[in-house]
Amino acid sequence: QVQLVQSETEVKKPGASVKVSCKASGYSFTNYGISWVRQAPGQGLEWMGWINVYTGNTNNARKFQGRVTMTTETSTSTAYMELMSLRSDDTGVYYCARDQLGIRGVMDHWGQGTLVTVSS
Amino acid sequence: DIQMTQSPFTLSASVGDRVTITCRASQSISTWLAWYQQKPGKAPKFLIYKASNLESGVPSRFNGSGSGTEFTLTISSLQPDDSATYYCQQYNSFPVFGQGTKLEIK
Repeated sequence: QVQLVQSETEVKKPGASVKVSCKASGYSFTNYGISWVRQAPGQGLEWMGWINVYTGNTNNARKFQGRVTMTTETSTSTAYMELMSLRSDDTGVYYCARDQLGIRGVMDHWGQGTLVTVSS
Repeated sequence: DIQMTQSPFTLSASVGDRVTITCRASQSISTWLAWYQQKPGKAPKFLIYKASNLESGVPSRFNGSGSGTEFTLTISSLQPDDSATYYCQQYNSFPVFGQGTKLEIK
């Protein structure tokens, strides 16, 4: 069965960076994309960006451009999302989700989420 | 950017009721719309894609409809397990979620 297993909780200081991992199993990793979605405490879902795992092409939401980097390691079926210059309002749960290759936004399987807390 | 607006913000209904959640897009998105269910402390669950196509394994009491700018998610006979927050999300352009509708069981 399809599974996405994310890395553990992170606590970071303002200005630092965080790198969240997402290990996929149960499907052919390069046949799909990966989207990243953020949820601030008590708030809704916010799409951050997407990576085409086959080509490595990425699309990021305007809000995160210049601050987020999405990569994959096909040898281990793992996707990574690095967010830089962290601020307190970056605190939240970060999810990876399996998406399509040709179109972003059909997120059919999700990781369990990684809580990132940004605090001095 | 396309904005997605859901109504109502919260909804309280009884087991067996028929409930409808509305999602409006700020411009036409054809049928490029998905619906997700999220329970507290859990990841979202994918329910519906292309406005009306039920994901495999999702109970048939869930139904999506609409096109253009107005969409609905209907639960035909509410069950206790349906208590959750529901999000619509457009993918005509970069994905954007609605603000969510919290559904409570009376």
